[in-house]
Amino acid sequence: SQQGEEDPQALSIQEGENATMNCSYKTSINNLQWYRQNSGRGLVHLILIRSNEREKHSGRLRVTLDTSKKSSSLLITASRAADTASYFCATASSGGSYIPTFGRGTSLIVHP
Amino acid sequence: EAGVTQSPTHLIKTRGQQATLRCSPISGHTSVYWYQQALGLGLQFLLWYDEGEERNRGNFPPRFSGRQFPNYSSELNVNALELEDSALYLCASSLHRGEKLFFGSGTQLSVL
Repeated sequence: SQQGEEDPQALSIQEGENATMNCSYKTSINNLQWYRQNSGRGLVHLILIRSNEREKHSGRLRVTLDTSKKSSSLLITASRAADTASYFCATASSGGSYIPTFGRGTSLIVHP
Repeated sequence: EAGVTQSPTHLIKTRGQQATLRCSPISGHTSVYWYQQALGLGLQFLLWYDEGEERNRGNFPPRFSGRQFPNYSSELNVNALELEDSALYLCASSLHRGEKLFFGSGTQLSVL
């Protein structure tokens, strides 16, 4: 079963624009992670935010977490064609489960 | 530092046969996760091994099984293959349980 669900399912923007993807989840979490997948290959870890954190930055990436709304957002600023990929959120539930559970992902296309 | 390696890259089997997929984690990582990604879908959790033991399994039938060896490499076995087993099988390792997974490039299994 899916824990996190990304929204939108697909996003198409022009190079230089910002891209925002959202993730909603159902149960209490220890942490939430964002990953990128290029062309059906292995996923690459982007950023991890813990349940007691509200915002984290890494380069052009900004992640926010609202535990009261059980939601997170990933912002990619000044997007590039190379950012074209699928983006997944993964949540690890609190209570001793160490299984990152993934959503279906957002497919991002950045047009040059 | 070598990444997570998976073999083979592609595997073609016929219905009813058995498939064996292999994964070598990053040196020092004791946790290995297996996920199934069917075309256009998110990642479905299959199995989690840590310190040589199976710690958790997802909602898959018993014909999906595996093991972790003393050197922490892992093997996924799928018996009595069915057409719907066709998917990308991803292995990931982590240094800390449930955090920052490092993925291999996957094994594309096709069942004819």
